[in-house]
Amino acid sequence: EAQVTQNPRYLITVTGKKLTVTCSQNMNHEYMSWYRQDPGLGLRQIYYSMNVEVTDKGDVPEGYKVSRKEKRNFPLILESPSPNQTSLYFCASSWGPGLGNTIYFGEGSWLTVV
Amino acid sequence: AQSVAQPEDQVNVAEGNPLTVKCTYSVSGNPYLFWYVQYPNRGLQFLLKYITGDNLVKGSYGFEAEFNKSQTSFHLKKPSALVSDSALYFCAVRDIGGSSNTGKLIFGQGTTLQVKP
Repeated sequence: EAQVTQNPRYLITVTGKKLTVTCSQNMNHEYMSWYRQDPGLGLRQIYYSMNVEVTDKGDVPEGYKVSRKEKRNFPLILESPSPNQTSLYFCASSWGPGLGNTIYFGEGSWLTVV
Repeated sequence: AQSVAQPEDQVNVAEGNPLTVKCTYSVSGNPYLFWYVQYPNRGLQFLLKYITGDNLVKGSYGFEAEFNKSQTSFHLKKPSALVSDSALYFCAVRDIGGSSNTGKLIFGQGTTLQVKP
């Protein structure tokens, strides 16, 4: 089954403790990205990657890092989480950044930073 | 800059009645429009998209959307609502960036659809 898989799905952590949210897709997609969802704001893009070793900032990149060493994986790293990073995070992928390409999303990762 | 607006935070409809979830957009150029649905504790699921062509787009689960260029709208519709359609719905437009194509979707705030038995 074609899918985008994120882990963990739920996490409560403390301020300053580094964490990584993994993301993997099995569709051989070149384009991957991360979004965060906050009430009343919809989803906002954090980082994106056009292909292996090619990443760039989205609209809200502060406090996050990413890497793309393999085509299928695109982990999101919070080096020193803060409470304002409490959010629902989605990983997404598509064949490419082309305007008509459908973006497929994972099931989301609920992150709470206390 | 591109933007999407969903003017209703919540839409309530009785089961069996038709439903409409509204979306308006603002883009420079041709719009590439999408609808997604988020069920409780589930990810975003793609419903349908408008790229070009027929203004009435059919998608998953019996949903359809009508593209109206003059009104810059892309309303989501279903002829007969089911209780299981209750969820959070997002309209989105593909960002037509300036010098760089980020590939991102610009989302509306979301509309909660409540279908009552």
